[in-house]
Amino acid sequence: DGGITQSPKYLFRKEGQNVTLSCEQNLNHDAMYWYRQDPGQGLRLIYYSQIVNDFQKGDIAEGYSVSREKKESFPLTVTSAQKNPTAFYLCASEQGPYTDTQYFGPGTRLTVL
Amino acid sequence: QKEVEQNSGPLSVPEGAIASLNCTYSDRGSQSFFWYRQYSGKSPELIMFIYSNGDKEDGRFTAQLNKASQYVSLLIRDSQPSDSATYLCAVTGTASKLTFGTGTRLQVTL
Repeated sequence: DGGITQSPKYLFRKEGQNVTLSCEQNLNHDAMYWYRQDPGQGLRLIYYSQIVNDFQKGDIAEGYSVSREKKESFPLTVTSAQKNPTAFYLCASEQGPYTDTQYFGPGTRLTVL
Repeated sequence: QKEVEQNSGPLSVPEGAIASLNCTYSDRGSQSFFWYRQYSGKSPELIMFIYSNGDKEDGRFTAQLNKASQYVSLLIRDSQPSDSATYLCAVTGTASKLTFGTGTRLQVTL
């Protein structure tokens, strides 16, 4: 069953903690993306990766970090430097190159306690 | 000016009617246009994409693109209560970056 999985579905973080959100895809897609969605706002790009071992900052990268050690995996770490991390986090993948259709995972809802 | 603009709604249409959702974009060099459907609490689901001026039909959905006027629309024929969701317009601009609108909430009433 091909697709994109994200875990956990819900995550609670205490102030000052780093947390890591998982994103895995078995679609053999080259590119992967992380977005953040807040109520009443569009999706905002955090980080993206076009190939393994390479990634670029998006529009709101401060307080976040990523790695891309395997084609299938693109984990996102929300660090304590992110001052307002409560949001719905969405991972997407895209076949690439020269294609630009993105497909989304089910999302992780992060809440800071 | 926002890069991709949508009316937030809600847009209310009766069951069986045509729902018309509109989106305008600012980057005249934009090449690819997408419509995603997002149910409350769920992730966006791709329903249509269009690259060329004109209409593209897929079942009850029709995407319309007018690059000269910089707008893209989505028509939903025979609207069903299950179509009630937020519809996100997304546009790939000249920097090859996908930019999303804030979405239009559609309510299909019985």
